[in-house]
Amino acid sequence: AQSVSQHNHHVILSEAASLELGCNYSYGGTVNLFWYVQYPGQHLQLLLKYFSGDPLVKGIKGFEAEFIKSKFSFNLRKPSVQWSDTAEYFCALYSGGYQKVTFGIGTKLQVIP
Amino acid sequence: ETGVTQTPRHLVMGMTNKKSLKCEQHLGHNAMYWYKQSAKKPLELMFVYNFKEQTENNSVPSRFSPECPNSSHLFLHLHTLQPEDSALYLCASSQDLGAGPRGEAFFGQGTRLTVV
Repeated sequence: AQSVSQHNHHVILSEAASLELGCNYSYGGTVNLFWYVQYPGQHLQLLLKYFSGDPLVKGIKGFEAEFIKSKFSFNLRKPSVQWSDTAEYFCALYSGGYQKVTFGIGTKLQVIP
Repeated sequence: ETGVTQTPRHLVMGMTNKKSLKCEQHLGHNAMYWYKQSAKKPLELMFVYNFKEQTENNSVPSRFSPECPNSSHLFLHLHTLQPEDSALYLCASSQDLGAGPRGEAFFGQGTRLTVV
């Protein structure tokens, strides 16, 4: 089976603070990894994705994530958050073996002005 | 706007009602999905259709009945639901079920369902 764990369920930061959201997965084969964001009242949007190649991927709005295969991790980072980053963030995994996307439980980020 | 449109946006129904959720995508994708998003739970994959054929039913109760008449439209027929079925139901599509960019999912805004 494949699974995704997000360890921080609710994070509160002040503006300009640095952000790191943890994501670990379990699957032994080749994976595609995603971070989705859901702003209040809006649909899920793709923030960034990893398919292959450079393990450090850059997404929209200054977000980046690093795939560390040995740690089965794909943590999301942003050096300086803004109030507009307040949203829920979901890590997701796709494997060719199971041919489906599995999501983590999500992390609610609240940025205080 | 993602190219995936869901209607209605909100739905309140009694336990004896029958209703349907609709999803439409204009992206030329071949795979479509229903997900259930409940508070404090991971997104749950319910059904997967690829080229109009159901490829996955994730042990979903029979009171949820999907229908995919063509690659652009996906329905979720609801009958005799329970209060615990109240959730946000999300539709998504992807080019197909392949790995890599083809498997990237685009989501609709969801239908907020309340069962009373």
